[in-house]
Amino acid sequence: ETGVTQTPRHLVMGMTNKKSLKCEQHLGHNAMYWYKQSAKKPLELMFVYSLEERVENNSVPSRFSPECPNSSHLFLHLHTLQPEDSALYLCASSQGRGSHEQYFGPGTRLTVT
Amino acid sequence: GEDVEQSLFLSVREGDSSVINCTYTDSSSTYLYWYKQEPGAGLQLLTYIFSNMDMKQDQRLTVLLNKKDKHLSLRIADTQTGDSAIYFCAVLKTGGSYIPTFGRGTSLIVHP
Repeated sequence: ETGVTQTPRHLVMGMTNKKSLKCEQHLGHNAMYWYKQSAKKPLELMFVYSLEERVENNSVPSRFSPECPNSSHLFLHLHTLQPEDSALYLCASSQGRGSHEQYFGPGTRLTVT
Repeated sequence: GEDVEQSLFLSVREGDSSVINCTYTDSSSTYLYWYKQEPGAGLQLLTYIFSNMDMKQDQRLTVLLNKKDKHLSLRIADTQTGDSAIYFCAVLKTGGSYIPTFGRGTSLIVHP
């Protein structure tokens, strides 16, 4: 148990659906991250939030929309996804953006049909 | 940008030592990490080493850093079936974005 929880753990959605992934951290951290993990590819950083402001967006398509309402919660809103978006989506948090120790949640396994 | 390379698979017998290797390209990398991912779980930070060190030992884990060759290794002594997982190497350069670059991960399979 790392102190970072993600829901749902598994999600199957059609290409026309809208869904949201949720991440919550109980560590008092103030930086949060979304990563995409696809089979046999390096972990891809998608978004970074520090003190609830987006500080990095790694050229992610607009069909992924993050939201960070406070330092403990992070959402990833999904709409009109493609089958190639199927992956494990990992949330992580750290004490600050300059902190090098990231704590990861268990991930949401997303399948787009 | 930084590239981090790892072999994809390693198979060892229970009780033997495992050595997982990683190479990176940016010689100014400051922190070098090993993460473990068990099935159905996120990444767990196992250990890390500063670039001014060449070795770090923590119980059954030994990290070796060869800065000249930009090579990092993780040795697991007395490997157990519970060590079966994917191991990710990651490197970070301070003064930049403070976002580590990850390798693709090495699947360690421990068989009896």
